Amino acid sequence: EVQLVESGGGLVQPGGSLRLSCAGSGFTFSSYPLHWVRQAPGKGLEYISSVNHNGLSTYYATSVKGRFTVSRDNSKKTLYLQMGSLRTEDTAVYYCARDQNKFGEYPDAFHIWGQGTMVTVSP
Amino acid sequence: SYDLTQPPSVSVSPGQTASITCSGYRLGDKFASWYQQRPGQSPLLVIYQNNMRPSGIPERFSGSNSGNTATLTISGTQALDEADYYCQTWDTTSHVVFGAGTRLTVL
Repeated sequence: EVQLVESGGGLVQPGGSLRLSCAGSGFTFSSYPLHWVRQAPGKGLEYISSVNHNGLSTYYATSVKGRFTVSRDNSKKTLYLQMGSLRTEDTAVYYCARDQNKFGEYPDAFHIWGQGTMVTVSP
Repeated sequence: SYDLTQPPSVSVSPGQTASITCSGYRLGDKFASWYQQRPGQSPLLVIYQNNMRPSGIPERFSGSNSGNTATLTISGTQALDEADYYCQTWDTTSHVVFGAGTRLTVL
């Protein structure tokens, strides 16, 4: 079964840091671009970041650029999101997603999604 | 930045056809994707590259994209299609962009 499982969410104070992980299984992990998308409570989907299949190209939304870093370890079949200088407005469910397009250099469509991990930024 | 505009809500009667639009500047020059999200669930890709259906998505879901508007069409709408639907595209400046979402109500 093709699957993505996020972990690492929790409660953190403003200004703090947190690292999210996303473990992939059931597919050739190293072949696909991967993405992070978040959803604040009661709100819509917000794009956060992408990394291409080999980790050499990354993209960020303006709202997180300079604070968040995406990376991947294909040997561990794991995607990461290092989040720093967290703000209350970063409170959301964070989803990782796999692109539908193998080896694409740019994001296409988000085919496989994880179940999400909740990040709460609060004093 | 690049923006996608969706109607906040669309209503449809069971068995009828629902159309959800997504508007953006020259959106027809880009690929559009659509996602379904039921309450408490992760999003589900239902259309990619304007009109392609992933494996397992019913044929009643179809898509088109031309000019400034992409459209998701659900034929023979069923109660289980009631959900939020999001359009999405890629732009060289904003990278990935999602619309704000449309709540589909099956009355």
